Amino acid sequence: GAVVSQHPSWVICKSGTSVKIECRSLDFQATTMFWYRQFPKQSLMLMATSNEGSKATYEQGVEKDKFLINHASLTLSTLTVTSAHPEDSSFYICSAREGGGLSTDTQYFGPGTRLTVL
Amino acid sequence: AQSVSQHNHHVILSEAASLELGCNYSYGGTVNLFWYVQYPGQHLQLLLKYFSGDPLVKGIKGFEAEFIKSKFSFNLRKPSVQWSDTAEYFCAVNAGNMLTFGGGTRLMVKP
Repeated sequence: GAVVSQHPSWVICKSGTSVKIECRSLDFQATTMFWYRQFPKQSLMLMATSNEGSKATYEQGVEKDKFLINHASLTLSTLTVTSAHPEDSSFYICSAREGGGLSTDTQYFGPGTRLTVL
Repeated sequence: AQSVSQHNHHVILSEAASLELGCNYSYGGTVNLFWYVQYPGQHLQLLLKYFSGDPLVKGIKGFEAEFIKSKFSFNLRKPSVQWSDTAEYFCAVNAGNMLTFGGGTRLMVKP
């Protein structure tokens, strides 16, 4: 159980394109989902926390107009990188928190989406 | 703000050697602690977690970790590593509503 999927797994796009990444919890409902970014050989950095039915909470330094997050249902959150530029190239990972939304619940991670902006 | 540090960035061991990966965190309140593993080409997987109770927790694949509150540590151990344990290991601390990761330790096990 507790499987999280992401789609697409890899996307290559031209500069200026907007890219949408989907994150789904396959066998559980996730009140809260998280979006992370991982640079090569570095750890995960939290970008934003997404709560179903409400606006996402962004970490300091993350542009909310650049990285649009929508959490329309208990099993789906989307991250849209708007007008992507080469510096947005990275590995984007989502996680979903199982349970009733308590902070003590475990996060389960998706496989990640590699974004390459040319 | 909480922070997590993993002392070793790279560890190279021979098969059957014992493993201990250090993890220290800074946060004064109640924390929940995790170790995640990322095998080459795969996504993060939960190895083990500590919420409360026995500070020595056992996870999958023979891994265990000990929470020492006085030292703010949650070190990961395995008595005898295998080649298949080659991966990157991340310690993470959940305090409040945020999961904070350490920098990761890349483990290579030589056959």
